[in-house]
Amino acid sequence: EAGVAQSPRYKIIEKRQSVAFWCNPISGHATLYWYQQILGQGPKLLIQFQNNGVVDDSQLPKDRFSAERLKGVDSTLKIQPAKLEDSAVYLCASSYTSGGAEAYEQYFGPGTRLTVT
Amino acid sequence: AQSVAQPEDQVNVAEGNPLTVKCTYSVSGNPYLFWYVQYPNRGLQFLLKYITGDNLVKGSYGFEAEFNKSQTSFHLKKPSALVSDSALYFCAVRDIARAKTNAGKSTFGDGTTLTVKP
Repeated sequence: EAGVAQSPRYKIIEKRQSVAFWCNPISGHATLYWYQQILGQGPKLLIQFQNNGVVDDSQLPKDRFSAERLKGVDSTLKIQPAKLEDSAVYLCASSYTSGGAEAYEQYFGPGTRLTVT
Repeated sequence: AQSVAQPEDQVNVAEGNPLTVKCTYSVSGNPYLFWYVQYPNRGLQFLLKYITGDNLVKGSYGFEAEFNKSQTSFHLKKPSALVSDSALYFCAVRDIARAKTNAGKSTFGDGTTLTVKP
């Protein structure tokens, strides 16, 4: 079974530039998550999709961050314009969804390490 | 609001000794609890989870965790540590009531670095 794929693995940009990250979840996983992991902290959820609908985006800085999952499979997270404090690892994860109580574990991709200078 | 605390930033043990990585949580209702491990330059990997039933949960690589509702804890344990267990460990919690509507997000602790010395 192929894992969660993410690209690019590393990205260096200057502040005020834009950047996009791509994620392809495990086949059959309806739920997709984007997390921000700042060095020394645990992952913080930015946005959660079920199929192509947003379930939770309460912690997404919507003035600069956007995400989409148009066909309910792969997803793109964009930052525009980037700030220095956006330097972090951006993790994508997916999980199975049964339509009931969601006790399923998440499968994570390798992450994209973003450095904003 | 739900939260997770991992009180130790670093745990050091000698190979062959038992290890414990601590986790306490706070949710308004009943929890789903998870442990994940992160090796350098790799994504998080699922180790084990507590949903319901037996308070002692067994997972991958010989790890186990004990759910204690009265102490709101879910400590990760292993009877005999290996050097290869050295990694960053994260505890996560999800509120069951909100999970049933698929609206409940998982909250992660800030991680504990486990170092096992030969």
